[in-house]
Parts: sequence; C-alpha cells; structure tokens
Amino acid sequence: QSALTQPRSVSGSPGQSVTISCTGTISDVGAYNYVSWYQYHPGKAPKLMIYDVSKRPLGVPDRFSGSKSGNTASLTISGLQAEDEADYFCCSYAGSYTSLFGGGTKLTVL
Amino acid sequence: QVQLQESGPGLVKPSQTLSLTCAVSGLSINRGGYYWTWIRHHPGKGLEWIGYIYYSGNTYYNPSLKSRVSISLDTSKNQFSLILNSVTAADTAVYFCARSSTSWDFDYWGQGTLVSVSS
Repeated sequence: QSALTQPRSVSGSPGQSVTISCTGTISDVGAYNYVSWYQYHPGKAPKLMIYDVSKRPLGVPDRFSGSKSGNTASLTISGLQAEDEADYFCCSYAGSYTSLFGGGTKLTVL
Repeated sequence: QVQLQESGPGLVKPSQTLSLTCAVSGLSINRGGYYWTWIRHHPGKGLEWIGYIYYSGNTYYNPSLKSRVSISLDTSKNQFSLILNSVTAADTAVYFCARSSTSWDFDYWGQGTLVSVSS
C-alpha cells in the first residue's frame, strides 16, 4: 500500500477558493466512497472535516466541501479565512479493514 | 464530550519496545460500535494508519507493521494500548489515538505524543 498523493502545498488569499487533490488507485479511492479529510494544526488534535467523500460533520462550516472523480478525491475550501491555514490530510478505506492516508498538504493563507 | 489522551515514554532505544496508552473519557470503550485506533505522523511526512481494535476485541493492523504491532483494550481503566516491537529510527513519529465508528474515518483524536527512537 502506498500513501495517497497530495500536493505538498497550496495557497490562496482571504476570500478565495482553493482545492486540494488526493489521488489514489482503483483499490482505494476509486473503489470506495469512504474518503475523509482532516485539518491538522501541529500540536493539536486533528479534526475531521469531511467524511464519506462529501459529508460534513456537525459544526464544520459549509465553506468546506468534498468530491470525488475516479481515483481522485478533492477538498475545496471557499471563502478562505486566516484560521483555515493548516495541514490537510486525506484518508481512504483500502479494503480488508485497512485505511490509507495521504502525504498531507500545507495550506497557506496569503 | 469524548476525549482521548495519549501517554508513554518520549524516548525509546533502537531494538526495544514502544508502549503507549490512550485514556478515553466521556464514553465507555465497552460501548459497542467503535474502533479504537492508533495513527502516527512521521516528521515532514504523511499520516500512517497503524491499526485498531474493535470494542469486541478484534484487531486489524497495517500489513506493513503487522509483525511488530499489538493493540489491546483495558476496560477496567477505560483505555487502550499500543505495543510496537523492535523499533528503529523509522518509528520516530507523533503517535495519535483516535476513535472511529465506521473503521474508515476518525471523529475524535488525542493531541498526539512524540516518540523518538534513539540510543
């Protein structure tokens, strides 16, 4: 199992939108609608932002949205705010009760 | 409110055993339907799923770590534990414990604990 592929970094200005991609294979992202996204501020507990590709847990702003096409999932953050600056990780179910994470993307709000 | 808190040594010598505990509050780990999970973050790299234990005691591990890892429940203390044998520098990471109700997404996490492997 190889880690899911994410861009190392993305950036955007306040108010803009950014999209973070997460590319896997036909055995993980492409096989299941079980992709989740996590926001991580170092030193804090990671926070679940999206689950089941596009569902938002209670309390997560609707500025955060998820989607999937083929073997690639995406997290879009619209109306960027300074507080969105963080690391973002994707995760996919990979079958046989195993999960696979991405390499992480550092989001910088300019 | 469910809370998880990792604890354990911050430094382990190569070839020795890494042992961490995750104390759970706000929910009994005996309560059905949850997967109690360990995940780690290598410095400058991505997250790595280590494995989980279902409330029933069934365990599931990352194939790349399966030969060295063990996860167990201690219901009397409402905590679960991670054992990783024969550690090397490659096991240096921040270790997180987390809860999952599905096995594929993780809704509550601890803050993580840094474990360094060094002589």
